[in-house]
Amino acid sequence: GAGVSQTPSNKVTEKGKYVELRCDPISGHTALYWYRQSLGQGPEFLIYFQGTGAADDSGLPNDRFFAVRPEGSVSTLKIQRTERGDSAVYLCASSLARWDTQYFGPGTRLTVL
Amino acid sequence: AQKVTQAQTEISVVEKEDVTLDCVYETRDTTYYLFWYKQPPSGELVFLIRRNSFDEQNEISGRYSWNFQKSTSSFNFTITASQVVDSAVYFCALSEPASYGGSQGNLIFGKGTKLSVKP
Repeated sequence: GAGVSQTPSNKVTEKGKYVELRCDPISGHTALYWYRQSLGQGPEFLIYFQGTGAADDSGLPNDRFFAVRPEGSVSTLKIQRTERGDSAVYLCASSLARWDTQYFGPGTRLTVL
Repeated sequence: AQKVTQAQTEISVVEKEDVTLDCVYETRDTTYYLFWYKQPPSGELVFLIRRNSFDEQNEISGRYSWNFQKSTSSFNFTITASQVVDSAVYFCALSEPASYGGSQGNLIFGKGTKLSVKP
């Protein structure tokens, strides 16, 4: 079946702009995660959704970051007033349930100029 | 504190050599899961294996094998007879389902080991 998909694959924006990154999980997966991967580092957890609700947003770095999953499937990560330090690859993963194996999408490479 | 350490930043081998990637973890939980993921140059993380803390049996899958030792908090990954297609960054990760103040199911990754297999 189809894996996790993410759009866009690349996003270049200017400092101060607003961006939205989209994740479409594997069909039937109730758990959805966002991670951020900086160059030369492992992915770092941002937020976890169980169904429509954000069950754990402890990894969001500040209030410029926000994510939604209104219908329990597709999720959007929103970043306001982007800063150069936000440049990274944003990864989305999904799993059948919270403790199950997470399968990752190809990521969105965000570059803030 | 929960932590995953992959001390080898980069490893370079010649095709057909065996190579072992080290992973050491820290956790206060008795129930946890350990993972290995592969990230080829294309960038997508590919799941390789998941082990729970109560299963210390070593596992073999083709040319891949994993050695889990709770006594040393290690979960090492060996590739036998390496091939050029094995070139990638490999990540070890930890998940703690019942942790209070820990990851609670989210993955904690090491910094990765970049493996280069030369023909």
